Formats: sequence, structure tokens, C-alpha cells
Amino acid sequence: RKEVEQDPGPFNVPEGATVAFNCTYSNSASQSFFWYRQDCRKEPKLLMSVYSSGNEDGRFTAQLNRASQYISLLIRDSKLSDSATYLCVVSRDSGGGADGLTFGKGTHLIIQP
Amino acid sequence: NAGVTQTPKFRILKIGQSMTLQCTQDMNHNYMYWYRQDPGMGLKLIYYSVGAGITDKGEVPNGYNVSRSTTEDFPLRLELAAPSQTSVYFCASSSPPHKTGGTEQFFGPGTRLTVL
Repeated sequence: RKEVEQDPGPFNVPEGATVAFNCTYSNSASQSFFWYRQDCRKEPKLLMSVYSSGNEDGRFTAQLNRASQYISLLIRDSKLSDSATYLCVVSRDSGGGADGLTFGKGTHLIIQP
Repeated sequence: NAGVTQTPKFRILKIGQSMTLQCTQDMNHNYMYWYRQDPGMGLKLIYYSVGAGITDKGEVPNGYNVSRSTTEDFPLRLELAAPSQTSVYFCASSSPPHKTGGTEQFFGPGTRLTVL
């Protein structure tokens, strides 16, 4: 089983719709979880951290299920500018890890007008 | 603040050539990282550093070397380029991780390297 698995998509979604995608991780000792966004041919940028109780940032909601070892991202009222690749990122260490992060391959989202 | 800067943006190398990818950050971050991203793949950690003078191997260090003589700079050296090193290279930096939660890594714009 790969360390961090994501459905690569693409997810083609009409503007204004709600879209959700999940990510699973294999290491039960993982402590920190993140969603990064990567635009085409650009660097990854932090979208949001994921906390055990779930957290929301505007139109974005992240959930963590430790028992099932999966993380989800929900985007409401999607905008054309949300089109990007969303990377699920996991760290073994509680604080993000000095030895870096484990990245999923990403889920490609296309918002259509 | 410029954040994390990388040079060059693009480079084509012949097999066996050497080069250094430059990375500089102006956020006074102790932690710096080098990743590579192959098409359709996740980022893989090559090397990381927790401070000046301290470096350690990541997941895919073979064929690369690093040094960290200052807080700001973290160059990545390819000694004998091979086609398998064709990739996009990202440098990143961060503050020290928290115990109770993660810390954001800031990435540079990347260097696109092709080895022919």
C-alpha cells in the first residue's frame, strides 16, 4: 500500500458545485496532515492544515478520520480559480517533521464555467 | 520578502555533466529541504537541513549532494547527471515544527532540469 494515496482525477465540476475528495495514508503513526494546492507548473502552496476535530477556512472544509486513516477536503461553491491539483500531505512527526513531508500524487480538479 | 528563490529556472544538461541548483530564503528559517517532482508523481525528499552546518538524507539522495554554510542558502549539487534525474526540483523552507501541530513549508518556484 502506498504511503499516501489519492484519486488522481481529473474531477470535472461545474462552477458553483460542491466537490469532495479523499486521501488515505498507510502509516498509523502519522501526526500532522495538510492539504497543499499546486497550480500547473507552479510550486505547492499550503491550503490548510487538517486537525482532528475538523476545520474550516471559508469555502474549504477539511476532515481527519484517524481510525480509518483518511483525510477529506470539501470545497463549496466552487470557483474557476479553484482549478488546480490538490496534494494530500502527511508527516510522521507531530510537528511537521524535520525529515520532510510525504506527498500524495495529487487530485486534479477542473472547474468548468 | 522574496521568500524562497531558486536559480536557474530551466536547465538542459548532457549525461555526465555537473551543476549546482541554487536556493536562497530570506525568512530566517532554520529548516530547508530539497524535493524532486517527476511528472504525475508526488514530491520526493532528496535532502534536508535543520540549520547551518547540518544536513541529512531524505528518501532519494543518490546522485546528489548538499551543503549548508549559511542559514539563507542551501545549494543542491548534481555531480554526474543521468537521464533519471530529469525532473522538477523544489527547494522549501520552514520554521521548526511544533509539537502539537504542523508547520507550513514555503516552496521556491522550482528548477526544471532535463538530462539528455
